[in-house]
Amino acid sequence: GAGVSQSPSNKVTEKGKDVELRCDPISGHTALYWYRQSLGQGLEFLIYFQGNSAPDKSGLPSDRFSAERTGGSVSTLTIQRTQQEDSAVYLCASSFGLGSYEQYFGPGTRLTVT
Amino acid sequence: DAKTTQPNSMESNEEEPVHLPCNHSTISGTDYIHWYRQLPSQGPEYVIHGLTSNVNNRMASLAIAEDRKSSTLILHRATLRDAAVYYCILRPHSTSGTYKYIFGTGTRLKVLA
Repeated sequence: GAGVSQSPSNKVTEKGKDVELRCDPISGHTALYWYRQSLGQGLEFLIYFQGNSAPDKSGLPSDRFSAERTGGSVSTLTIQRTQQEDSAVYLCASSFGLGSYEQYFGPGTRLTVT
Repeated sequence: DAKTTQPNSMESNEEEPVHLPCNHSTISGTDYIHWYRQLPSQGPEYVIHGLTSNVNNRMASLAIAEDRKSSTLILHRATLRDAAVYYCILRPHSTSGTYKYIFGTGTRLKVLA
């Protein structure tokens, strides 16, 4: 079946512009997670959703970052006024529920801020 | 948040077993130990998880120390396709109210032909 998909796969933007990154989870998965991976680094947790609710937003690096999920499915991560340090691969994952032991990851969106 | 410590890199010969260690001395009694791996240019994929007892699946085995302060991922016969970064992660039990998965920098496994 279809896995987690993310779009765009690559995004180049100028410093100061806003960007939106999209994640389509596996159908039926109620939990959704966003991570960020800077070059050569491990994954940094950003936020998770159970349904449309995000109980813990403390992983978002600054108030320029926001995320929403509608209809318990698609999620959008928005970065306002992008900075060069925002350049990274943004990964989305989904699972059957927060208690599920396995997260399924998408291929990621590579964001480059020039 | 409980942290994990792993060696930065390891090498193995093809077709030989590989033991990837992980230290998690601050683990709490309700934390599960998860392992994921990330192949080049891909998102991570689940490998195995456990709580107290050793675990086996088709991909690997997980050996957990009796005091749970360390664990070892065992690949029984490494292949070139196993070359990846392996992450050891502590996942809180569902009743703890938090699902912040803390990935460390992982161990980069190089498999030599």
